[in-house]
Amino acid sequence: DQQVKQNSPSLSVQEGRISILNCDYTNSMFDYFLWYKKYPAEGPTFLISISSIKDKNEDGRFTVFLNKSAKHLSLHIVPSQPGDSAVYFCAADNTGKLIFGQGTTLQVKP
Amino acid sequence: EPEVTQTPSHQVTQMGQEVILRCVPISNHLYFYWYRQILGQKVEFLVSFYNNEISEKSEIFDDQFSVERPDGSNFTLKIRSTKLEDSAMYFCASSVQARHNSPLHFGNGTRLTVT
Repeated sequence: DQQVKQNSPSLSVQEGRISILNCDYTNSMFDYFLWYKKYPAEGPTFLISISSIKDKNEDGRFTVFLNKSAKHLSLHIVPSQPGDSAVYFCAADNTGKLIFGQGTTLQVKP
Repeated sequence: EPEVTQTPSHQVTQMGQEVILRCVPISNHLYFYWYRQILGQKVEFLVSFYNNEISEKSEIFDDQFSVERPDGSNFTLKIRSTKLEDSAMYFCASSVQARHNSPLHFGNGTRLTVT
């Protein structure tokens, strides 16, 4: 199932800089998107979401951008902190069930 | 902050045995889910549950799987006769509403190892 793809398995950034995590989807019927963060030995934790009627949603250091024509969304974290180091999953809501990407491992170096 | 709790954290079982994975969703949530993640693969949907019945299930959720809400707090996933390929992390989740503006809250998972 390749409906949601995160093409970068890993990303490394310096503390204080911006982290940009990307996600692509194929199904134009998706109308709600979410980002989850996951630490080892824990379940995914909800970060931020966006409805398809918007192109941007911001919550503190986290901003999600949605480009429907390109079927692309991104998560911006600024400034990045070492505690942000985790696996980040994007997910699309498909009639009440979530379709997840493969995840991107973010490492924020002090 | 309220959280979804799952027990046990790790379950080892022999092929062909039955296992029951347990979850206590957040108390005011009405929608319940099971997802799983096989090592190295994506988190994938298994089943959603609302008002004491299955709302939707994936192709993975065959006759070997069942879910139950035996009382007002627990939500269980039963695998009747485990196979090696059932080895995975199983995540329970709950939400207030079915969709939109009601993100899923996940538990920390049960690691199931079938030998």
